[in-house]
Amino acid sequence: NAGVMQNPRHLVRRRGQEARLRCSPMKGHSHVYWYRQLPEEGLKFMVYLQKENIIDESGMPKERFSAEFPKEGPSILRIQQVVRGDSAAYFCASSPILAGGFISTDTQYFGPGTRLTVL
Amino acid sequence: KQEVTQIPAALSVPEGENLVLNCSFTDSAIYNLQWFRQDPGKGLTSLLLIQSSQREQTSGRLNASLDKSSGRSTLYIAASQPGDSATYLCAAPAYSGAGSYQLTFGKGTKLSVIP
Repeated sequence: NAGVMQNPRHLVRRRGQEARLRCSPMKGHSHVYWYRQLPEEGLKFMVYLQKENIIDESGMPKERFSAEFPKEGPSILRIQQVVRGDSAAYFCASSPILAGGFISTDTQYFGPGTRLTVL
Repeated sequence: KQEVTQIPAALSVPEGENLVLNCSFTDSAIYNLQWFRQDPGKGLTSLLLIQSSQREQTSGRLNASLDKSSGRSTLYIAASQPGDSATYLCAAPAYSGAGSYQLTFGKGTKLSVIP
């Protein structure tokens, strides 16, 4: 069973360009989380998605950032008009629905991350 | 708002030493606390999860303790090995204010074990 996959692993963009980061959750997982790790900072929660539905985007910057998790295909984190401050590692995690339909933040499995560098 | 602090930020020890990593959190109304390992250029690996009803959890050479009343957790690594070199992250759940609990991470302790 393959783990959480993220691509690309490294992404370089110039200021003003768009960045699209992809996350394929583990097989059978229907919940995806995105985190951002700025240099010398801890991981910060950005957004929590279920297929075709955003559950919690309270950690997402209000402008330029968006996320989706379509019925088919990977989850996408999209950053429009990137600025140097967007340079960071972006991690995706996925979790299954536990017995009884309970969803727990405990059981998050993390991907290797995408390192975004904005020139 | 939950805040998680880890000290020290970096630690270097000779191989074979026992060591303790510290984590403190501001909101003691947590239902669990988790320790992760992060290797350079890689994702996070969950090491230990302590439920609020437990005081400690063990896995091999690792032992994590939780004291909710004082807002502290420690990760004890026995007989350290060079392969233990990594950044260790502590994470506590916090209500996001938008309908879900999410993990709040500390900045981590970067451990180097010298052969």
